[in-house]
Amino acid sequence: ETGVTQSPTHLIKTRGQQVTLRCSSQSGHNTVSWYQQALGQGPQFIFQYYREEENGRGNFPPRFSGLQFPNYSSELNVNALELDDSALYLCASSPRPQGHEQYFGPGTRLTVT
Amino acid sequence: GESVGLHLPTLSVQEGDNSIINCAYSNSASDYFIWYKQESGKGPQFIIDIRSNMDKRQGQRVTVLLNKTVKHLSLQIAATQPGDSAVYFCAEGRTTDSWGKLQFGAGTQVVVTP
Repeated sequence: ETGVTQSPTHLIKTRGQQVTLRCSSQSGHNTVSWYQQALGQGPQFIFQYYREEENGRGNFPPRFSGLQFPNYSSELNVNALELDDSALYLCASSPRPQGHEQYFGPGTRLTVT
Repeated sequence: GESVGLHLPTLSVQEGDNSIINCAYSNSASDYFIWYKQESGKGPQFIIDIRSNMDKRQGQRVTVLLNKTVKHLSLQIAATQPGDSAVYFCAEGRTTDSWGKLQFGAGTQVVVTP
């Protein structure tokens, strides 16, 4: 059984640019959630994807968007990057959308300069 | 708004001693709680969970206690080892939600000293 993987590991972008982060869910899991973790803080829920559609969203602006593919992998896209978007972006997969058994990947460290 | 929070930002524990990490929650609608461990450079790792219809749950070297009266959650780690050094988060959720959003607290840094 493979765990949750994310790419890239680290990324540096300039303010105003766009970024795409990728996540492969754990084998057998059909639901992916994305979280933003600022330095020294707990993860904050961005949104969840199930059956290739957004299934719930936290308090993040529309410039944060996502996709889920038929193989359950997912992308997080952030447009018009701001300095405050610098954070660790975590992907978590679960076997069902209501499931609280969320298994996290190692994250992508995004730095916006 | 309602939130999950922790009492102590840093906990220093001697190797071999027991650790207790505390968490306060204020959302009375939450009915499940999870403890995660996050090591430097890694994503949060599931430790143990508990539903609101339980007061105590035990795992391997860990015990979670839930006191709904005072809305308090704790994680006890027995015989703390150097590998237990990490940031520990409690998270809450509601099984009535159609999607499993977890709300995390700020975290407690546990430092195990020899």
